[in-house]
Amino acid sequence: QLQLQESGPGTVKPSETLSLTCTVSGDSISSSNYYWGWIRQPPGKGLELIGRIYYSGTTYYSPSLKSRVTISVDTSKNQVSLNLNSVTAADTAVYYCARGVSWELHNWFDPWGQGTLVTVSS
Amino acid sequence: DIQMTQSPSSLSASVGDRVTINCRASQSVYTYLNWYQQKPAKAPKLLIYAASSLQSGVPSRFSGSGSGTDFTLTISTLQPEDFATYYCQQNYRTWTFGQGTKVEIK
Repeated sequence: QLQLQESGPGTVKPSETLSLTCTVSGDSISSSNYYWGWIRQPPGKGLELIGRIYYSGTTYYSPSLKSRVTISVDTSKNQVSLNLNSVTAADTAVYYCARGVSWELHNWFDPWGQGTLVTVSS
Repeated sequence: DIQMTQSPSSLSASVGDRVTINCRASQSVYTYLNWYQQKPAKAPKLLIYAASSLQSGVPSRFSGSGSGTDFTLTISTLQPEDFATYYCQQNYRTWTFGQGTKVEIK
């Protein structure tokens, strides 16, 4: 059974870099059938797609975050990583990783990790 | 960006009710539309993909319809475990989510 587990610091100081890891178990992140995404949710608010990465290494980022985001994979550890630099309080959110599925040009995320809360505070 | 607007933002309903949630796109997304359910302090769960295809394991009381700019998620007979927030998401271009519809107990 596929499982995704996010991990990383619960608090990050303003202007610093938020770094999270998603450890995938039950499937290889190198599979060409899937891709991997990061989505965030500020407290009490809706969902925002951060970006996604394909097995080829190709990445797509949200235009609003593109200048600050990097998503990468470590196939040896079966992990997907997120780096978001120059954070502010507006980046405080629950961060989710999820597996992306593509079928006849349709795309969706399933399943999702449990999420991890990151607070930006000095 | 394509804006996704859900209506209503919240609704109150009773167990056994038929519930409909609407999602409107600012431009056509054809059928590149998914629906997710999120319970408090839990991760979202995929319900419907490609506007009307039921994800494996999801109860058949959930259904999706629509194409172009107007979509609907219907719960035919509301169950206690269905009280949650529901999000639509377009995956046609620069994928975006709706703001969510909270289904509360009446």
